[in-house]
Amino acid sequence: AQTIHQWPVAEIKAVGSPLSLGCTIKGKSSPNLYWYWQATGGTLQQLFYSITVGQVESVVQLNLSASRPKDDQFILSTEKLLLSHSGFYLCAWGSGTGDEQYFGPGTRLTVL
Amino acid sequence: GDSVTQTEGLVTLTEGLPVMLNCTYQTIYSNPFLFWYVQHLNESPRLLLKSFTDNKRTEHQGFHATLHKSSSSFHLQKSSAQLSDSALYYCALYAYKVIFGKGTHLHVLP
Repeated sequence: AQTIHQWPVAEIKAVGSPLSLGCTIKGKSSPNLYWYWQATGGTLQQLFYSITVGQVESVVQLNLSASRPKDDQFILSTEKLLLSHSGFYLCAWGSGTGDEQYFGPGTRLTVL
Repeated sequence: GDSVTQTEGLVTLTEGLPVMLNCTYQTIYSNPFLFWYVQHLNESPRLLLKSFTDNKRTEHQGFHATLHKSSSSFHLQKSSAQLSDSALYYCALYAYKVIFGKGTHLHVLP
């Protein structure tokens, strides 16, 4: 069975500080991987997707970047956090011919 | 480009009444996949329904939807709302890439 793990579970950071969020998928070879962001009380916004190691496509940047250093790992980062970065960050992997999305448990980020 | 439009904002209804959340899409891809995802409070979204077959009803957990390519629609319906249906619902399209609609908050009142 496939499992998806995100870290950290929650983070409180200062404006201007760096950020790195991680996502690991186990039990699925060469998955399509996605990062989503959701403001508190808001709706999903797709940020990045990757279909293979080393390749990342940006959908909406929001002063964030993403990388895929390994087949099963997807990293979201920024060098300088903004207040507007607060929210819920979800990693997902896609499966099947319709790329059905399976979401991780998410990381709650608070920027102060 | 490809897009998904769904009932935006908040839909409030009383328990026991029927639910209908609208979803229409635009794509030049002739064989799109359509999905409904549900996200309950403090949870991650999960798949509720999916379809790629024209005019075929798909059902799950009391909800149903039919993909109509002629009208580019995939509306979500349920005959009788329950309190536990209160959640955020997303319609999504796959046409070589995944596109989510902006989501609809469903609030069911007792």
